[in-house]
Amino acid sequence: GDSVTQMEGPVTLSEEAFLTINCTYTATGYPSLFWYVQYPGEGLQLLLKATKADDKGSNKGFEATYRKETTSFHLEKGSVQVSDSAVYFCALTNFNKFYFGSGTKLNVKP
Amino acid sequence: NAGVTQTPKFRILKIGQSMTLQCTQDMNHNYMYWYRQDPGMGLKLIYYSVGAGITDKGEVPNGYNVSRSTTEDFPLRLELAAPSQTSVYFCASSYLSPEDYEQYFGPGTRLTVT
Repeated sequence: GDSVTQMEGPVTLSEEAFLTINCTYTATGYPSLFWYVQYPGEGLQLLLKATKADDKGSNKGFEATYRKETTSFHLEKGSVQVSDSAVYFCALTNFNKFYFGSGTKLNVKP
Repeated sequence: NAGVTQTPKFRILKIGQSMTLQCTQDMNHNYMYWYRQDPGMGLKLIYYSVGAGITDKGEVPNGYNVSRSTTEDFPLRLELAAPSQTSVYFCASSYLSPEDYEQYFGPGTRLTVT
């Protein structure tokens, strides 16, 4: 079945460091791919998405490119801030169903 | 707009008890979803609905039931609660297909079954 695998955390970075969180997927057909962010005590919020191969999603300095050849959708940010500390989830949707990765906790230290 | 609201925020159940988790959205969204999030894990889809009167199973439907009599409401029923149902439950909605429309999440219900 469809699934998403993302790197385990936690990831701890200093402010202004470069961030990469790896995500790979398995799916039939042509899924859409997403990154969601969850702040403590809150529900998930959409961060960015890409709906077809080679699309790049971007938002708030984060970006991810839909790579069909490597079935990947890695999240990157050039310079993280303390306020980026949260749990990040990679997800895909296929035929109205959503599949989430297990989440990667990011801690950014001043 | 309140968005997606869930009640209660917290609940402790004894094994074998039943309860209903309430979910309401005021955005006139057609699609609604119930997920559970176990500690350190991603969300797993329990049930979803693409419109009033239509529901379908997700990845982990066993032990749960849903109904969708109105566009706004999508309650999740737990019958005969078990410790394995201890989790955080999130309700979400989107206008139409989640490929094209953002999914909005409620704040969650933390359920403990002892």
